[in-house]
Amino acid sequence: KAGVTQTPRYLIKTRGQQVTLSCSPISGHRSVSWYQQTPGQGLQFLFEYFSETQRNKGNFPGRFSGRQFSNSRSEMNVSTLELGDSALYLCATSDRGNTEAFFGQGTRLTVV
Amino acid sequence: GENVEQHPSTLSVQEGDSAVIKCTYSDSASNYFPWYKQELGKRPQLIIDIRSNVGEKKDQRIAVTLNKTAKHFSLHITETQPEDSAVYFCAASPKASGSARQLTFGSGTQLTVLP
Repeated sequence: KAGVTQTPRYLIKTRGQQVTLSCSPISGHRSVSWYQQTPGQGLQFLFEYFSETQRNKGNFPGRFSGRQFSNSRSEMNVSTLELGDSALYLCATSDRGNTEAFFGQGTRLTVV
Repeated sequence: GENVEQHPSTLSVQEGDSAVIKCTYSDSASNYFPWYKQELGKRPQLIIDIRSNVGEKKDQRIAVTLNKTAKHFSLHITETQPEDSAVYFCAASPKASGSARQLTFGSGTQLTVLP
């Protein structure tokens, strides 16, 4: 079956703009988590959605938000972009009762 | 919250030798410990995981051990090959159900296998 798909793969944005990233999970997977990966901070948890509800949230400012649709696809939004938001954003999905997290290939965001 | 420390940050071994990466965690509620391999420019891929009710798990050349009392777990790779060269991340997660879990990752180990 198809893997986790993230779009777009690459983005370049200007400070102050906002951006929306998309994650389509493996068919049947209802849980989606988002992570930010940077050389300095490593992999950090942003938030997790299950059945359209946010269940967990990491220690990120309110500029970072997300949502999940009825088909389990998820989007994350970053408003008022800062240079420090430049990172690889990864989503990971899982099906009910299965704890293995499958990662997408990520979206590389560059803020200039 | 959970805190995961990983050592060493870089590791070079000769092809055929063994490699060991160690992690410690802080939250006694964590009960799931996966290891991910990330090659340059690619997504993290799960290579092995262990739950807190198991002390050791093996999969061919890869093994993971868990010491709940000491709150540490280790990845062992035997007979290393050049294709094992990558960044390895450990992670810990508290008990959850029906979800991808909130994984707290270690800082990563760059493993280089020298031919």
